[in-house]
Amino acid sequence: ETGVTQSPTHLIKTRGQQVTLRCSSQSGHNTVSWYQQALGQGPQFIFQYYREEENGRGNFPPRFSGLQFPNYSSELNVNALELDDSALYLCASSPPLTYNEQFFGPGTRLTVL
Amino acid sequence: DQQVKQNSPSLSVQEGRISILNCDYTNSMFDYFLWYKKYPAEGPTFLISISSIKDKNEDGRFTVFLNKSAKHLSLHIVPSQPGDSAVYFCAASAMNRDDKIIFGKGTRLHILP
Repeated sequence: ETGVTQSPTHLIKTRGQQVTLRCSSQSGHNTVSWYQQALGQGPQFIFQYYREEENGRGNFPPRFSGLQFPNYSSELNVNALELDDSALYLCASSPPLTYNEQFFGPGTRLTVL
Repeated sequence: DQQVKQNSPSLSVQEGRISILNCDYTNSMFDYFLWYKKYPAEGPTFLISISSIKDKNEDGRFTVFLNKSAKHLSLHIVPSQPGDSAVYFCAASAMNRDDKIIFGKGTRLHILP
């Protein structure tokens, strides 16, 4: 059974650019959540996707957007990057009807210069 | 406003002794609590959880205690082993409201030989 995978592992962008991060959920999992973990902080909930629709959103501006595909994989898009967007971005998937036991990927480290 | 607080950034414990990690929360709507463990360069992994209808949940060396009146929970690891050295995140959600999981900032546990 393949776990949650994320790509790329690391990414460097400059302020104002746009970035797309990708996540493949664990087999059989239909819900994907995205988190931002800044240095020294815990993961902060960005949004969750269930059956290709956004199903809950944290306190993040609209320039953070996402998609979920029919195979349950997901993308996180961030437009107009700011220096404070530098963080580890974590994707987590969960199986049907098990909302709180989420399985995390290794994350994508984004650096904005 | 931090709804889940882990006030100890780090903790050092002798191998074989008990490790006690503490967590406080402010939102009385939280009814499900989780602990995650994170190694460097890996995503958090689910460790143990507890529903608000219980005050204790045990899984091998790991026990979580919940004191609802004090809005406090703790994770006990007995006996502590070298592989337990990691960052531990306390997290909470309000299952009857939404599935959003709120994480604390984490406590880094060092197991000393």
